[in-house]
Amino acid sequence: DIVMTQTPLSSPVTLGQPASISCRSSQSLVHSDGNTYLNWLQQRPGQPPRLLIYKISNRFSGVPDRFSGSGAGTDFTLKISRVEAEDVGVYYCMQATQGATFGQGTRLEIK
Amino acid sequence: EVQLVESGGGLVQPGGSLRLSCSASGFNFSSHAMHWVRQAPGKGLEYVSALSNIGGSTYYADSVKGRFTISRDNSKSTLYLQMSSLRADDTAVYYCVKGWATPDYWGQGTLVTVSS
Repeated sequence: DIVMTQTPLSSPVTLGQPASISCRSSQSLVHSDGNTYLNWLQQRPGQPPRLLIYKISNRFSGVPDRFSGSGAGTDFTLKISRVEAEDVGVYYCMQATQGATFGQGTRLEIK
Repeated sequence: EVQLVESGGGLVQPGGSLRLSCSASGFNFSSHAMHWVRQAPGKGLEYVSALSNIGGSTYYADSVKGRFTISRDNSKSTLYLQMSSLRADDTAVYYCVKGWATPDYWGQGTLVTVSS
């Protein structure tokens, strides 16, 4: 199974400041069809997860443009350009190239 | 509007069985793969099972293989998860999710508690 490792596991951020979460996979996430199925999910407190970013860098419908994704191969990053109070929650990377696995989650909190 | 509504959760004894249902609306259910993902209390997300749009391909996590069966009824726009030989570590909120490689919509979840 592909193992997904996120860092940091906790990220205290000041409102209005940027935040960054890294995700590394134990093997390349490039699928035989040429796509890289790396997604980012947000789970606000008491809510189900919701899709933020799919295939590395594509924002899902309704996701603010302060969220961006980047990376390739085995190393990926989610960036929030200016953190807002509503961004508090846990962020997960998820690969769907070979089966499906999630990272451990990164808790974003406000300082 | 896409809606996924799970039902069927509850308290069950170890070794028991339960069937979860997910009623879908707002999209062409028969055209999309569907999944079950679970989350133990206070823990992260774990993929459980996936089923292609016409049911030809399935996926099971090793932790549930041989005990859980995923199925769908496209005429009723409903996804199922038959769970048997339940264990305490199956206790979790079970989410129904639309999409194969891109999990774009999630239900609110249904809680399964395995305890004597």
